[in-house]
Amino acid sequence: GIQVEQSPPDLILQEGANSTLRCNFSDSVNNLQWFHQNPWGQLINLFYIPSGTKQNGRLSATTVATERYSLLYISSSQTTDSGVYFCAVEAGGSNYKLTFGKGTLLTVNP
Amino acid sequence: NAGVTQTPKFQVLKTGQSMTLQCAQDMNHEYMSWYRQDPGMGLRLIHYSVGAGITDQGEVPNGYNVSRSTTEDFPLRLLSAAPSQTSVYFCASSYHRGLSTDTQYFGPGTRLTVL
Repeated sequence: GIQVEQSPPDLILQEGANSTLRCNFSDSVNNLQWFHQNPWGQLINLFYIPSGTKQNGRLSATTVATERYSLLYISSSQTTDSGVYFCAVEAGGSNYKLTFGKGTLLTVNP
Repeated sequence: NAGVTQTPKFQVLKTGQSMTLQCAQDMNHEYMSWYRQDPGMGLRLIHYSVGAGITDQGEVPNGYNVSRSTTEDFPLRLLSAAPSQTSVYFCASSYHRGLSTDTQYFGPGTRLTVL
């Protein structure tokens, strides 16, 4: 099956810093989503982005499907950005089956 | 809208017991799915459904059973609980785009411990 690798596994920032999280995948995809899991365990969808670039406030994401990677940018980080960020992909031909990476644990200190 | 709801929030079972985790959504989503989350493993797909009466297996289906009699509900049944099924279980739902899922909405999770 498709492999999804996220980097870095852990990241510690001071409030106000910027960061870039990466998601590499091993095969073509027809669906890619980014999620944030807050410290209380709730999973929130950030972006549906199988290709191209999207922005939502301080967050933006870019997927380069031909090179099999996606990037999540967090600018001017806040303590509320802490948590785990997951990338999930649906491989072409694996209809309806999302495969998650192991996540990046982000800690933003005040 | 309540979104995706799950009950119970916490459950402790003994080995061999059976139980049903409930999931409901009020967004008229065709697609619903169950995941388990274990430390360091990310989320893994157990079963999914693309509409009432249609279910299929995900990555880790053994020991679990599902059915989908209505659009709103997608219960997950543990037939004979084992300690290896200790995990946090998440239900998710979405519309679908052709043969693919759309933006996923997750429930709050059920933390299950099997002794």
